[in-house]
Amino acid sequence: DGGITQSPKYLFRKEGQNVTLSCEQNLNHDAMYWYRQDPGQGLRLIYYSQIVNDFQKGDIAEGYSVSREKKESFPLTVTSAQKNPTAFYLCASSIERPLNTEAFFGQGTRLTVV
Amino acid sequence: AQKVTQAQTEISVVEKEDVTLDCVYETRDTTYYLFWYKQPPSGELVFLIRRNSFDEQNEISGRYSWNFQKSTSSFNFTITASQVVDSAVYFCALSEAQRGAQKLVFGQGTRLTINP
Repeated sequence: DGGITQSPKYLFRKEGQNVTLSCEQNLNHDAMYWYRQDPGQGLRLIYYSQIVNDFQKGDIAEGYSVSREKKESFPLTVTSAQKNPTAFYLCASSIERPLNTEAFFGQGTRLTVV
Repeated sequence: AQKVTQAQTEISVVEKEDVTLDCVYETRDTTYYLFWYKQPPSGELVFLIRRNSFDEQNEISGRYSWNFQKSTSSFNFTITASQVVDSAVYFCALSEAQRGAQKLVFGQGTRLTINP
């Protein structure tokens, strides 16, 4: 079945460590996105990529990094510079045009700093 | 700056009641797109409906309907004859043509509980 796979589902990180969240899609979508969700809040855009080997900062990119070496994959690294990384992270993908197309989401990774 | 506000934090109704979720948005762009997504307990967001800023016709799709009013910057979503399976968090989202790509700005979400 086509879809977006995020792994792991739960992730625990010690303070000062970098961690990488995986996102893979087999929908043949050009565009991929990372969002962060905090309790009682909506999703906020971290990074997005419209094409392989290119990506752009979203609204809250500080403390995060990404890569897009393959069309299917868009991993997110939460670095030690992210002051409050505990959150639910959602990856999404879409076709690039038209702009009103819907995004497809993965089931998310819940990151907890211990 | 773009902003989406969902003033209703939680709504609880009895099954078969109709329920309306409110959404108010702010944008300076003349071309924009509005969406409703559902987030069940499993976590992923599921697309429900969309509306373009240049198309003000309201529509019904099965038990879902939406009321888009540009004059009040509102995009309300109604579930008719609610069912227990409708229980979830619902998000209203906005994307603007000027921002490019499909970069969504989300409201805070409304937690809907349908009681049997």
